[in-house]
Amino acid sequence: GAVVSQHPSWVICKSGTSVKIECRSLDFQATTMFWYRQFPKQSLMLMATSNEGSKATYEQGVEKDKFLINHASLTLSTLTVTSAHPEDSSFYICSASGGQNNEQFFGPGTRLTVL
Amino acid sequence: AQRVTQPEKLLSVFKGAPVELKCNYSYSGSPELFWYVQYSRQRLQLLLRHISRESIKGFTADLNKGETSFHLKKPFAQEEDSAMYYCALSGKQKLVFGTGTRLLVSP
Repeated sequence: GAVVSQHPSWVICKSGTSVKIECRSLDFQATTMFWYRQFPKQSLMLMATSNEGSKATYEQGVEKDKFLINHASLTLSTLTVTSAHPEDSSFYICSASGGQNNEQFFGPGTRLTVL
Repeated sequence: AQRVTQPEKLLSVFKGAPVELKCNYSYSGSPELFWYVQYSRQRLQLLLRHISRESIKGFTADLNKGETSFHLKKPFAQEEDSAMYYCALSGKQKLVFGTGTRLLVSP
C-alpha cells in the first residue's frame, strides 16, 4: 500500500520557538494532504486540508498564522507551528490522498512537546 | 453538521466471543463511512469502507441509514484484533472521526 512518512517522529522545543514537521508521500503523488491533531485519549481533529500548489483550507478555530502549511510539491507538505506554547503540545498526524478512490493514507505522527 | 459518535471507550471480550463496536453518525447528505484501526505502536490504517461491502480480517460493517449507524462486527474475536478502532465519516473530501473504541481481546 501507499506509504506516508513524517519527520521528526518527536520533537521537544522551548516556548516561543517554531517547529517544522514534514509529511512525505513516498510512493505516490499526493494531490491532497491533511493535517490532524490528536490530544491524549481523544480523537483526531482535522486542522487543515492542503492541495498541491494552492493555499491550505483551515478548519474553524485553527489559526492559520499559528499553523503554517505549505504543500509545494506532490510528495511533500510541511506544518510549521510558529511561536509554540505548551498548549500546542500534541500529536500531529498527516495523511495524503491521490488515488482513484481518494483514500487517505496516514503518517505515523509527530509528538510535539513544548516546554 | 457532521458528527460521529462511538459510545464505548473500551470494549473487553474473550477470544472467540462476538464483537460489535458501535458507531452512529449525523450527516445531512449521503455519507461515506469508514472504519480505521490503529494497532499498538502503528499508524492509523483503513480497515473497511461501506461502499466496498467487503469483509476484512473477518470484520463487516453495514450502513443502516434508518438508524444512522455503521456498527463494526466480527463473529469470533481474536487476540490480534486488540487495537483502537475509529469510525469516520467522509463529507466534502474531509474525514470526521469518532472518539474511538479500544478493543481488548483476552485469551
